[in-house]
Amino acid sequence: EAQVTQNPRYLITVTGKKLTVTCSQNMNHEYMSWYRQDPGLGLRQIYYSMNVEVTDKGDVPEGYKVSRKEKRNFPLILESPSPNQTSLYFCASSLSYDGGSAASTDTQYFGPGTRLTVL
Amino acid sequence: TQLLEQSPQFLSIQEGENLTVYCNSSSVFSSLQWYRQEPGEGPVLLVTVVTGGEVKKLKRLTFQFGDARKDSSLHITAAQPGDTGLYLCAGVMTSGTYKYIFGTGTRLKVLA
Repeated sequence: EAQVTQNPRYLITVTGKKLTVTCSQNMNHEYMSWYRQDPGLGLRQIYYSMNVEVTDKGDVPEGYKVSRKEKRNFPLILESPSPNQTSLYFCASSLSYDGGSAASTDTQYFGPGTRLTVL
Repeated sequence: TQLLEQSPQFLSIQEGENLTVYCNSSSVFSSLQWYRQEPGEGPVLLVTVVTGGEVKKLKRLTFQFGDARKDSSLHITAAQPGDTGLYLCAGVMTSGTYKYIFGTGTRLKVLA
C-alpha cells in the first residue's frame, strides 16, 4: 500500500531533550516536506527536500533540522525542543516537482500526523 | 508570514444550501491546490488549478483560479453532511524554490 508513515504518532517530552520524528514514504517520491499545524494558523511549511541531499527552508525553520540521506526517509530533528514547538506535525511527499519552469500538478500525500507536546 | 487569507474561517449550514470559500493573496502562485482534512488525519488533495481563470469541477464542487493567479474560490452546490471538514487552500511558489503556502482553513459543518 502506497503511504507516508510517521513515528511516533504522539510524543510528550520536556524542554531541551533532543528528539527525532521519522518520516518514510514507499512511493519513490522525490519531494518531501514537513509542516506544523496550529489552531488559527493553518499548515506552515518547516523544511522541504527536492531530492537526496537537497533540502531547503520553508516558512518556519527555526529550531528544526532535517536530513535527506535516502530517498524514502526525511526525519525532522528538534535539537532542543521548547514549548512553542508544541504542535501537530505532518510529513508529506509528492512524486516530483516542476523545478520552477511551470506549475506542477503533483499530488502531495500526507502522513497521519505526529502530535508533539513539549513541557 | 501568512500570505494566503482564507474566508470564512467557520461555516455552519443546512444540508442542501450552497456555499463559497475564498482564498486570497497579494502574491502570484504557479498553481493553487485545495485540500480537505478530516479530524485525526492528514489533508487530502481535492484539486489543483494551474492556469489563470481555470475552472475545475469535482461533482458538486467547483474550483476557480483567479485570472491573475492570486486568488481562488471553492463553491459547493447542495452541500451534504459528508462535505463536513476542514478545507485548506495552498499556493505553490516555484520561483527559485518550491514552497507550499497554506491558507488558515475553513471549517465547514453541514447539518442534516
